Amino acid sequence: GQNIDQPTEMTATEGAIVQINCTYQTSGFNGLFWYQQHAGEAPTFLSYNVLDGLEEKGRFSSFLSRSKGYSYLLLKELQMKDSASYLCAVTDSNYQLIWGAGTKLIIKP
Amino acid sequence: ETGVTQTPRHLVMGMTNKKSLKCEQHLGHNAMYWYKQSAKKPLELMFVYNFKEQTENNSVPSRFSPECPNSSHLFLHLHTLQPEDSALYLCASSLAGENTGELFFGEGSRLTVL
Repeated sequence: GQNIDQPTEMTATEGAIVQINCTYQTSGFNGLFWYQQHAGEAPTFLSYNVLDGLEEKGRFSSFLSRSKGYSYLLLKELQMKDSASYLCAVTDSNYQLIWGAGTKLIIKP
Repeated sequence: ETGVTQTPRHLVMGMTNKKSLKCEQHLGHNAMYWYKQSAKKPLELMFVYNFKEQTENNSVPSRFSPECPNSSHLFLHLHTLQPEDSALYLCASSLAGENTGELFFGEGSRLTVL
């Protein structure tokens, strides 16, 4: 079967750096997405990786290794507003979007 | 504001009621989606419409009935629901339905079935 694994919950300190990992086993690969979802709000797009390597966008970076079936989202200079759930999703060879259960990130002062 | 609006935001209904969820997108997108989000579970894709045509129905029980009258509007008609159907129902849209582009989500309709 197809599967996306990410930690259920992580805690970090304001101003620090946190890395949220995502591993996937899918039938083929056509890209990996990260979305952010604040409690009670809509998921919003953060990043899209289709080639190996690091994509940087301000305080957020996303890394992909297709050979390892692995991605991570790196958040720098954490702010309280970064407290949210982070969803990893992969598009498989049939262009189906497979979702992880999300990682709840708690930021402490 | 994502450009995708869902109403109502909250809905409580009994198992014998009939209600509808509404979604409207102002982004000029061609694909619209219904997802179910339950606590600590992955998003479950329910229905996909591309250019108003239903292209996916992921084994969803018939008590959920979608309707897409045009590319901007999507409905989910609910009848004879079960308590386990209580969840957040998210609508999303995208330019095309191949899941290689960004999805724009609404804030969801929180459904409670008593």
